[in-house]
Amino acid sequence: TQLLEQSPQFLSIQEGENLTVYCNSSSVFSSLQWYRQEPGEGPVLLVTVVTGGEVKKLKRLTFQFGDARKDSSLHITAAQPGDTGLYLCAGIWNQGGKLIFGQGTELSVKP
Amino acid sequence: DVKVTQSSRYLVKRTGEKVFLECVQDMDHENMFWYRQDPGLGLRLIYFSYDVKMKEKGDIPEGYSVSREKKERFSLILESASTNQTSMYLCASSLWLPGLYYEQYFGPGTRLTVT
Repeated sequence: TQLLEQSPQFLSIQEGENLTVYCNSSSVFSSLQWYRQEPGEGPVLLVTVVTGGEVKKLKRLTFQFGDARKDSSLHITAAQPGDTGLYLCAGIWNQGGKLIFGQGTELSVKP
Repeated sequence: DVKVTQSSRYLVKRTGEKVFLECVQDMDHENMFWYRQDPGLGLRLIYFSYDVKMKEKGDIPEGYSVSREKKERFSLILESASTNQTSMYLCASSLWLPGLYYEQYFGPGTRLTVT
């Protein structure tokens, strides 16, 4: 059974700080996605990383896929209160489109 | 604009009741999914469907069944609701493109409480 371990589970920081969220597995993924979920809503896709070592940037968010395609990280620079939410990583295997989700990281950014 | 809708945002049912959760997508997607979300456990896949009348068990199918009679609609059924099925239920849909990655589009969720 493939498992994704996400850390930390909770993160409370002040506006302007930097943070990194990690997503690790013992399995190799064909690709990995990061989603963000706001209270009362479903998750929304932020990015998909496909190639080992790939780095993608989305404004102040930087996503990296490990060289061996077993891990990923999300780095937020100068966090803002609007970044508050639940961040979920999800691994993809080419087996009919199933995603395996990590436990999520609950981020709170205080003004 | 892409849209996945779920029939209820909040639902309260009694133990032993049969519960239907409905999901409709307007994107002509082949794949549809039902997840439950619990704190500290992330999203866990209950059932998914590749096509009309097709279904596959996910990681936690016990106590649930599904129905997909039309491409746009995927229903989750709790045959006899129990208190341990109190949770947030999320429906999602996606394209099916073999060998390619794809985005799952989620509905807003149904918070089900079983008393």
